[in-house]
Amino acid sequence: GAGVSQSPSNKVTEKGKDVELRCDPISGHTALYWYRQSLGQGLEFLIYFQGNSAPDKSGLPSDRFSAERTGGSVSTLTIQRTQQEDSAVYLCASSLVPAARETQYFGPGTRLLVL
Amino acid sequence: AQTVTQSQPEMSVQEAETVTLSCTYDTSESDYYLFWYKQPPSRQMILVIRQEAYKQQNATENRFSVNFQKAAKSFSLKISDSQLGDAAMYFCAYRNRNDYKLSFGAGTTVTVRA
Repeated sequence: GAGVSQSPSNKVTEKGKDVELRCDPISGHTALYWYRQSLGQGLEFLIYFQGNSAPDKSGLPSDRFSAERTGGSVSTLTIQRTQQEDSAVYLCASSLVPAARETQYFGPGTRLLVL
Repeated sequence: AQTVTQSQPEMSVQEAETVTLSCTYDTSESDYYLFWYKQPPSRQMILVIRQEAYKQQNATENRFSVNFQKAAKSFSLKISDSQLGDAAMYFCAYRNRNDYKLSFGAGTTVTVRA
């Protein structure tokens, strides 16, 4: 597609349930990033994928969070046993290469609400 | 870890006037990149402007310009001739030359009065 797409746009779930958030990066972009934006705060880095290399998971807040990227394209962020503090907007971004000067293009995000 | 601070939670500007958003950052690195992103209600983060630390000249993109003070670790954004479409949340971000993740400030909400 023309830009980064994410689905669903909004997700409401009950505490304790698992959720999957999907990201479709720009075609040809090798680097993919997940960020979390909590209410009234800036974005915090969660995880990074580059090609077939092992992902950088250093930003994941707990072992309930995991992500995968299949075929070097689509990525799925999974949150198990959701908690209320997981409520946030989850943003995905991609860039052509992971160089520092490269622009990261963001998707519209998934707004997650855990009741 | 790098810290990015935006001290103005909200700013209001009259249409056609100028507004300046402040950003300071903390780093021990000398080579890095700074960014301003705009996030309208649609949530889509849009790159407004980028500055490379080794370039002394301030970046400019149409009505958007920055005042980059490397010694002071300051990176302010000036929006000239403000338009209604400029209303959004603006985030300052830092990226080390050898890193790939962005570090963001908490954001400044800009309101444009007609």
